[in-house]
Amino acid sequence: GAGVSQSPSNKVTEKGKDVELRCDPISGHTALYWYRQSLGQGLEFLIYFQGNSAPDKSGLPSDRFSAERTGGSVSTLTIQRTQQEDSAVYLCASSLVTGFEAFFGQGTRLTVV
Amino acid sequence: EDKVVQSPLSLVVHEGDTVTLNCSYEVTNFRSLLWYKQEKKAPTFLFMLTSSGIEKKSGRLSSILDKKELFSILNITATQTGDSAVYLCAVAEIQGAQKLVFGQGTRLTINP
Repeated sequence: GAGVSQSPSNKVTEKGKDVELRCDPISGHTALYWYRQSLGQGLEFLIYFQGNSAPDKSGLPSDRFSAERTGGSVSTLTIQRTQQEDSAVYLCASSLVTGFEAFFGQGTRLTVV
Repeated sequence: EDKVVQSPLSLVVHEGDTVTLNCSYEVTNFRSLLWYKQEKKAPTFLFMLTSSGIEKKSGRLSSILDKKELFSILNITATQTGDSAVYLCAVAEIQGAQKLVFGQGTRLTINP
C-alpha cells in the first residue's frame, strides 16, 4: 500500500477484555516497530520485527502484551485482560531497512473503561 | 542502555522567530539519527542524518549532526504557526538493539 495502515483507528474496550490492533506496513519494508504514546508523553518502544530474525520484545510492559508478524508483512499487537493504564495511542511504523527513515501509521487510540 | 535527550522540552516563540532544537544521544554503535514532526497522531519524517557536519535542508528547516560531541540540532527559521508541533529525535544502532530509540520530544508553540 501507499502508507502504513493501522486499524482500528479508535477502540474503546472494557477493562479485562482482550484487544487486537492491526498494522499493515508499506510493501517491501522489512522492519516493523510498535510504539505506545500516552497523553503528553514521548514514544515508548514496545516491539521490533526485522525480516525473519527473532523480534526484539524488550519493550513489552507485561506478559499481557504480545505481537506477531505473519509472512513478514501484517502485524498484530494483542493486549490481554486490558487495564486502564493501557489506554494510549498505539503507533506502528515500518522502514525499508533498519535505522533508515521509518514511516508511521495514523495510530490506534485505545481507551479502556 | 541507549539514551536520547531533547531540549528544551517546551518552547514558545512568536511567528517569524528562529528556533534551535537540541538532541543529544548515547548509543554504542551509532547508525543514524532521525528527526520527526508530530502534530496529531502520526509523526512525519523530516531528516535522516548519518554523517557529521553535513547539513540537511528542507525549506525553512535544517539539521546537522556532530558525531564527536554526540548531538544534533534542528533549526527552523522564519517560524510560522503551522510549525507548532512536537519535534521528535530518534537514534538507531548498526547492531545489537537496532530499534529506533526516541527522545521525549520538544513541544514547539508558535504564537501569531
